[in-house]
Amino acid sequence: QMQLVESGGGLVKPGGSLRLSCAASGFIFSDYYMTWIRQAPGKGLEWVGYISGSGTPKYKSDSVSGRFTISRDNTQNSLYLQIDSLRAEDTGIYYCAREEGIVGAFYGLDVWGQGTTVIVS
Amino acid sequence: DIQMTQSPSSLSASLGDRITITCRASQSITSYLNWYQQKPGNPPKLLIYAATTLQRGVPSRFSARRSGTDFTLTISSLQAEDFATYYCQQSHSTPRTFGQGTKVEVK
Repeated sequence: QMQLVESGGGLVKPGGSLRLSCAASGFIFSDYYMTWIRQAPGKGLEWVGYISGSGTPKYKSDSVSGRFTISRDNTQNSLYLQIDSLRAEDTGIYYCAREEGIVGAFYGLDVWGQGTTVIVS
Repeated sequence: DIQMTQSPSSLSASLGDRITITCRASQSITSYLNWYQQKPGNPPKLLIYAATTLQRGVPSRFSARRSGTDFTLTISSLQAEDFATYYCQQSHSTPRTFGQGTKVEVK
């Protein structure tokens, strides 16, 4: 079945870096836009950014632009989120998700991972 | 950026109640509006996409409507498993934005 599994989270000091990974299985990974979403403790969902199936285009939220880098390796069926200059406000659960649809007609995030927790302290 | 304003932020209801959650977009998103359900300790689950289309496997007690830039999610008869937090999200343009969430609690 379709599955996404995140890894790479952990406890890191302010100013540090992390590379989160998302391993996909059960679908043709390169056919889909992939998205990162984060959720601070007790808060709502925040869209971080996405990357197209080919790797271009990609887009990040203004709130993370410059510190976060989204990439993918279709040969490994993997999505990545490099986070630099970590801040306390980056603490939360980071989810990867698949976006259903085609360019010009996107229909939501239909497959989600369980998330990986980042704590900046 | 498109702002998504969801209301109420929380509501208390009983089993069997009919509830409605509203989401308003700050500009036209046509029908590119999705609804998610999230239970504690779990990732969100896509319930409805394209404003009114039920995702496969979602019970028919869930329904949704669009009126211009106003969108509603209705649960016709609340079941125990429906107590959760619900989010809307627009997929019309980037950045994709979520509403702030509506927590449905037991009265």
